[in-house]
Amino acid sequence: DQQVKQNSPSLSVQEGRISILNCDYTNSMFDYFLWYKKYPAEGPTFLISISSIKDKNEDGRFTVFLNKSAKHLSLHIVPSQPGDSAVYFCAASDDNNDMRFGAGTRLTVKP
Amino acid sequence: EAGVVQSPRYKIIEKKQPVAFWCNPISGHNTLYWYLQNLGQGPELLIRYENEEAVDDSQLPKDRFSAERLKGVDSTLKIQPAELGDSAVYLCASSFNSGSGELFFGEGSRLTVL
Repeated sequence: DQQVKQNSPSLSVQEGRISILNCDYTNSMFDYFLWYKKYPAEGPTFLISISSIKDKNEDGRFTVFLNKSAKHLSLHIVPSQPGDSAVYFCAASDDNNDMRFGAGTRLTVKP
Repeated sequence: EAGVVQSPRYKIIEKKQPVAFWCNPISGHNTLYWYLQNLGQGPELLIRYENEEAVDDSQLPKDRFSAERLKGVDSTLKIQPAELGDSAVYLCASSFNSGSGELFFGEGSRLTVL
């Protein structure tokens, strides 16, 4: 069962504009949410996270928003840069550290 | 500090042959994970270790897959015999302790079964 869903397989934005990547989850026991970034032929690398007690976490150009009532989170990248082009995975875990990943969204930032 | 090390990076075998993947986690990380990633999909957990104990192996196909982490440090994932559908990337990850959230991934081992 797909407990973490990223419904957009790809996203293309212009350099300097905002990128918004979306993620939905179904398991209300998830209490920690993460975004990972993956370049080709590399493993995923941690980008940013948010606990369920917060609704926003910001780190430089990256901001993650959590809407618990809608079971939805999003990653905002502003301004987007060509080096941000990668596959972004949304992940969620519960207090048993059972971490589930979405299928990923391929972001392309055009110069 | 070295990251998570996996080997081999690439492996091509014929179906019904055995294959093994090795992972050395970041020093001091108690929790080790093996994930399977199919093309166009996100990582799917196969097994999670807390030190040498497998605490979650519910998604591991035990008829052909096995894993061990005998001394609670490095780990081996084995497939015997391999099937065509096993072609995928096998990712190893580690974390300092369960519940910390952030996982550190290796570069993965890409398996092609012919």
